[in-house]
Amino acid sequence: DAKTTQPNSMESNEEEPVHLPCNHSTISGTDYIHWYRQLPSQGPEYVIHGLTSNVNNRMASLAIAEDRKSSTLILHRATLRDAAVYYCILEITGNQFYFGTGTSLTVIP
Amino acid sequence: GAVVSQHPSWVICKSGTSVKIECRSLDFQATTMFWYRQFPKQSLMLMATSNEGSKATYEQGVEKDKFLINHASLTLSTLTVTSAHPEDSSFYICSAGPFHTEAFFGQGTRLTVV
Repeated sequence: DAKTTQPNSMESNEEEPVHLPCNHSTISGTDYIHWYRQLPSQGPEYVIHGLTSNVNNRMASLAIAEDRKSSTLILHRATLRDAAVYYCILEITGNQFYFGTGTSLTVIP
Repeated sequence: GAVVSQHPSWVICKSGTSVKIECRSLDFQATTMFWYRQFPKQSLMLMATSNEGSKATYEQGVEKDKFLINHASLTLSTLTVTSAHPEDSSFYICSAGPFHTEAFFGQGTRLTVV
C-alpha cells in the first residue's frame, strides 16, 4: 500500500528550477515527510525533511501544503549531478521508511 | 555526517548456501537499524527492523527464518540470507539514524545467487 504517489519521471533543463511533486493524502499529524535521492547501485542520499513548515537547506527546498496532503521538492538550479531517482517518503514511526515508486529526474544539458 | 557502512559491497554465492551481510554505524550508536531490499528498476522495500538486544521485527510477507537478523551490538546489525536461491538476488540496503531527522543509508550489497 503506497503511502506516497509521485510521477514516474520528469525532465529539466540544466540550470533551471525543478519542482518534484508528491501526494500523501493519508498522512497523519505526526508523520514526517522525507525526500531522498538515489543513484544506480548506491544507497539513498538524504535531501531534506519536514513536518509542517516549509524547509530550506543547501540542497533544496521543501514546500508542504497547508493540509499536509501534498508536498513539493524544489531544486533551485538543476545540475547534471542532480539526475537521480527522487523518493518522497513518510516516516510513520522513527526512521522506518516506506518508499513510494519515486520520480526519475533527467537533467538535460 | 554520520556514516553507515555495509560489507560486502557485492557477493556471488551458489544456490543453497547462506550469505551474511554486515551493517555498521561508524560514528554513532544505533539501537535500531533497518533492512531494505531493492529489485532492479524498483523502489526500496522495507524488510525488517533490527533491534539491539532483542528480536527483529519483520514486515508482512518477509520470511524470518530465511532472512536472519542479528543486532548484537549498538554498532552492528547482520542480515543472513539462508539457503539462498536465484530469486533472492537483489540489492540489500541498511539504514540507521536518529528519529525524525536524517537517516543514514549504507552503500548497499549486491547479492547474486547462481
